[in-house]
Amino acid sequence: DSGVTQTPKHLITATGQRVTLRCSPRSGDLSVYWYQQSLDQGLQFLIQYYNGEERAKGNILERFSAQQFPDLHSELNLSSLELGDSALYFCASSPGHQNIQYFGAGTRLSVL
Amino acid sequence: DQQVKQNSPSLSVQEGRISILNCDYTNSMFDYFLWYKKYPAEGPTFLISISSIKDKNEDGRFTVFLNKSAKHLSLHIVPSQPGDSAVYFCAASDDSGSRLTFGEGTQLTVNP
Repeated sequence: DSGVTQTPKHLITATGQRVTLRCSPRSGDLSVYWYQQSLDQGLQFLIQYYNGEERAKGNILERFSAQQFPDLHSELNLSSLELGDSALYFCASSPGHQNIQYFGAGTRLSVL
Repeated sequence: DQQVKQNSPSLSVQEGRISILNCDYTNSMFDYFLWYKKYPAEGPTFLISISSIKDKNEDGRFTVFLNKSAKHLSLHIVPSQPGDSAVYFCAASDDSGSRLTFGEGTQLTVNP
């Protein structure tokens, strides 16, 4: 158990809808990262938050947004969903700006 | 632009033998490298890492070798055990301490 909790584990929705994925980092970790893993691909970095502030952005679509709350949990919002958004979404955390990141079990999103 | 590449999608070895997983990178700004192991329905689990100032790091049965001039790293598992069967991801980061750039993964199967 990495100590990173992601909910829900599975999400099935329709095209055009909006969903929210939630992540609780390890106790004491200030950095939260979001990654997307599409079929048979590596993990692609989406966005990082550090202590409530956005710190780095990857190839995150404009339809996607994220935030980190004062209690350090984070939410990833995906809107106007398309079939191609179906993927595994992982959250990771680290104590600060450090290289070793600890991953949650992921949320599997299926857009039908 | 695939900055981290794992050219072998799969590897099969016998229990007790050595497993060697390879990874190549193109970005000379990468200075920290990690290996993660992933079982089905779980998130990636940190295994071992190496800084660019070193060429070898050992942790029990796991050893990572880094050849900076060739931009190549490898993970050696000796002896291999059936429980090591998983997908192994190579990842790299630069000194910003934010995103990890992942390879596509190698499925390791250790046969009893």
